[in-house]
Amino acid sequence: DAGVTQSPTHLIKTRGQQVTLRCSPKSGHDTVSWYQQALGQGPQFIFQYYEEEERQRGNFPDRFSGHQFPNYSSELNVNALLLGDSALYLCASSAQPGGYTFGSGTRLTVV
Amino acid sequence: QKEVEQNSGPLSVPEGAIASLNCTYSDRGSQSFFWYRQYSGKSPELIMFIYSNGDKEDGRFTAQLNKASQYVSLLIRDSQPSDSATYLCAGGDTGRRALTFGSGTRLQVQP
Repeated sequence: DAGVTQSPTHLIKTRGQQVTLRCSPKSGHDTVSWYQQALGQGPQFIFQYYEEEERQRGNFPDRFSGHQFPNYSSELNVNALLLGDSALYLCASSAQPGGYTFGSGTRLTVV
Repeated sequence: QKEVEQNSGPLSVPEGAIASLNCTYSDRGSQSFFWYRQYSGKSPELIMFIYSNGDKEDGRFTAQLNKASQYVSLLIRDSQPSDSATYLCAGGDTGRRALTFGSGTRLQVQP
């Protein structure tokens, strides 16, 4: 049973560019959440998708946007990249209240 | 502002000892609490979750929740060097919505 799959694993972008990160949830999971984790910090909630709609959003600017597809997979898009966007981006999926399963993450470096 | 507070550590314990990790939260609306373990450079891995006041045991791990004091803890019995990692505490409301994470406590188990 495949867990949460994220791609790519590593990415280097230049300031001002745009990036798209992808996530496939664990089989049977219909809810996808995205988190940003800066070095030495806990994950910070970006947004959550359920039934292809953004259900909840954290305190992130509109440069961060997302999408969920009918097969429950999801994308995170970040526009106009800043140096401060460098972080580990984590996708988490769930099917019921009982904890989220995290993917291995995408390490984004903005130079 | 919903906050989850953890001592950053490091907490150092000898092999075979009990490690006690603590967490406080400010949002009384938080109903469920999760402990994740994160090895350096890896994604968080769910250890256990707790919803009700009292203790919940799973193998060498025991989670404790005191909603009146807004306090959550994780006890690790018979600590092993492989338990050396950062432990993240997270709180969430009912339903499958955003988790608020603490910044984590780094545990070092000395052989």
